[in-house]
Amino acid sequence: GNSVTQMEGPVTLSEEAFLTINCTYTATGYPSLFWYVQYPGEGLQLLLKATKADDKGSNKGFEATYRKETTSFHLEKGSVQVSDSAVYFCALSDRMAGNNRKLIWGLGTSLAVNP
Amino acid sequence: DGGITQSPKYLFRKEGQNVTLSCEQNLNHDAMYWYRQDPGQGLRLIYYSQIVNDFQKGDIAEGYSVSREKKESFPLTVTSAQKNPTAFYLCASSIFWTGRRDNEQFFGPGTRLTVL
Repeated sequence: GNSVTQMEGPVTLSEEAFLTINCTYTATGYPSLFWYVQYPGEGLQLLLKATKADDKGSNKGFEATYRKETTSFHLEKGSVQVSDSAVYFCALSDRMAGNNRKLIWGLGTSLAVNP
Repeated sequence: DGGITQSPKYLFRKEGQNVTLSCEQNLNHDAMYWYRQDPGQGLRLIYYSQIVNDFQKGDIAEGYSVSREKKESFPLTVTSAQKNPTAFYLCASSIFWTGRRDNEQFFGPGTRLTVL
């Protein structure tokens, strides 16, 4: 079945460092891909998304490009801030019975940014 | 402001008791979902509902029950049959349960359930 694999955390960076969180997927067809962020004690928020190959999603300085040839959707940010400390989840949309869809989730990657 | 509310934020229950978690949305979304999150794990789907009076089991429905009597409400009951109920529970909703490929889900703040 379809699946998402994220790099294991925790990831610890200094402020203004470059961030990459790897995400690869296994899927049939052409799923949409998402990055969600979860701040401590809160629910999840959509960070960015891409719906087809070579699309680039971007938001708040974060970017990810849908690479079909490498089945990847790596999250990047050029200069992280302390406020970016959170858990980041990669997800893909998966077709279910009746043409409905659900999200398949990675395990999450915890990011801690030190001042 | 539109959004999803979950209550309570923290919930404690004695072993063997049923407990109901509330989820309300005013986004006019058709679909609603319940997820369970355990430390170091991703989200696992418990139940989902496409429309009022309809719901389907997700990947880990055993020991849980839901209802969808109103479009804006999707309460989750954790029954005494759930063997390990201590977890963080997240409710979500989305528009257009029609197979759209970019079907974004919006999440509530979550309820942390602890069984004593």
